Amino acid sequence: DTGVSQDPRHKITKRGQNVTFRCDPISEHNRLYWYRQTLGQGPEFLTYFQNEAQLEKSRLLSDRFSAERPKGSFSTLEIQRTEQGDSAMYLCASSLRGTVSTEAFFGQGTRLTVV
Amino acid sequence: DQQVKQNSPSLSVQEGRISILNCDYTNSMFDYFLWYKKYPAEGPTFLISISSIKDKNEDGRFTVFLNKSAKHLSLHIVPSQPGDSAVYFCAATYGNNRLAFGKGNQVVVIP
Repeated sequence: DTGVSQDPRHKITKRGQNVTFRCDPISEHNRLYWYRQTLGQGPEFLTYFQNEAQLEKSRLLSDRFSAERPKGSFSTLEIQRTEQGDSAMYLCASSLRGTVSTEAFFGQGTRLTVV
Repeated sequence: DQQVKQNSPSLSVQEGRISILNCDYTNSMFDYFLWYKKYPAEGPTFLISISSIKDKNEDGRFTVFLNKSAKHLSLHIVPSQPGDSAVYFCAATYGNNRLAFGKGNQVVVIP
């Protein structure tokens, strides 16, 4: 499968616990994005990487959130001390910088439920 | 602040008829606009896009129209098919960076 892959698909955690999600982008894509989607809303930008460099972070990304893309391939998003408000679908997308069309390809998402 | 706005959260249309989805934006810096389709429990899937230098782009049953002066775009689906039933998101970007999404429109195509 050559699409964007996210793991796990679902995660239930207790408030205060740490969670980590993984995203494997399309192999030749150098840009990787994280978005968050809550019920009734569109995806909201969190952060993006070009290769291994994290180029932009949204103000939505509090200090409890950290993202890495150590070798410019897969990425991880960690949430520390989870809160109920963190419950959402976390979407990863990838794209190829320099192409005329800027469509990003999304994974199926990780649904986080904080209880 | 919501830079991309989609009103009329849901739309029901008879199979074979036209579906029209509307989207307004506020940021004049946006230079590329996209529509995504989303089924439940799946990530958004790219549908069609348009550059700000164009006013129309067509791909099969899908056509996107852009009115820059009104900061408005629309997606036409004709003829609508039952498999088109999904949530449709309008998105915009500039500088080939992050996407700003609207809240989405639920489309239901009635067989």
